[in-house]
Amino acid sequence: NAGVMQNPRHLVRRRGQEARLRCSPMKGHSHVYWYRQLPEEGLKFMVYLQKENIIDESGMPKERFSAEFPKEGPSILRIQQVVRGDSAAYFCASSPPLAGIIEQETQYFGPGTRLLVL
Amino acid sequence: DAKTTQPPSMDCAEGRAANLPCNHSTISGNEYVYWYRQIHSQGPQYIIHGLKNNETNEMASLIITEDRKSSTLILPHATLRDTAVYYCIVRALTGTASKLTFGTGTRLQVTL
Repeated sequence: NAGVMQNPRHLVRRRGQEARLRCSPMKGHSHVYWYRQLPEEGLKFMVYLQKENIIDESGMPKERFSAEFPKEGPSILRIQQVVRGDSAAYFCASSPPLAGIIEQETQYFGPGTRLLVL
Repeated sequence: DAKTTQPPSMDCAEGRAANLPCNHSTISGNEYVYWYRQIHSQGPQYIIHGLKNNETNEMASLIITEDRKSSTLILPHATLRDTAVYYCIVRALTGTASKLTFGTGTRLQVTL
């Protein structure tokens, strides 16, 4: 059973360009979470999505960042007009559909995408 | 979610048990204790979680005090590959999935 997949693993962008990060959840998982880890800092929650719905975006910067999880295909985290401060590791996690079982809410993480803005 | 306190760093000799403490004195009755680790910039790896009973799996054991105000993650026979940052997270599970709030964790260094 393949784990959470993220691509690309490394992404280099110049200031002002767009960055698109993709996340394919584990098979059977319908919940996706995005976290960001700035250099030498801890992971910070960004957004939580279910298929075609944003459930919690309390950690998303108000501008330039957006996320989607379409009915078909991977979840996408999009950063428009990147700046140097966006350089970070972006991790995606997934969890199964809720079924009233505690173990179903465990989040499993992908390997991350390392974004470098020049 | 309740706040947790962990020592910033610990050392452990290879082959010995690593005991990582976590204080969560403001934990509520419906909050679970979760442990994750992050090995050198890889994605966080789920280790174990528990509510009030001690738990054990193939990776580790989790000991939660009777008053639930603190817990200890035990790696019974630490290896060099267990060198990582270990995060203790307290999280309410209310029937709707929710975010994980990571603190600064404990940096465990396993040495020869």
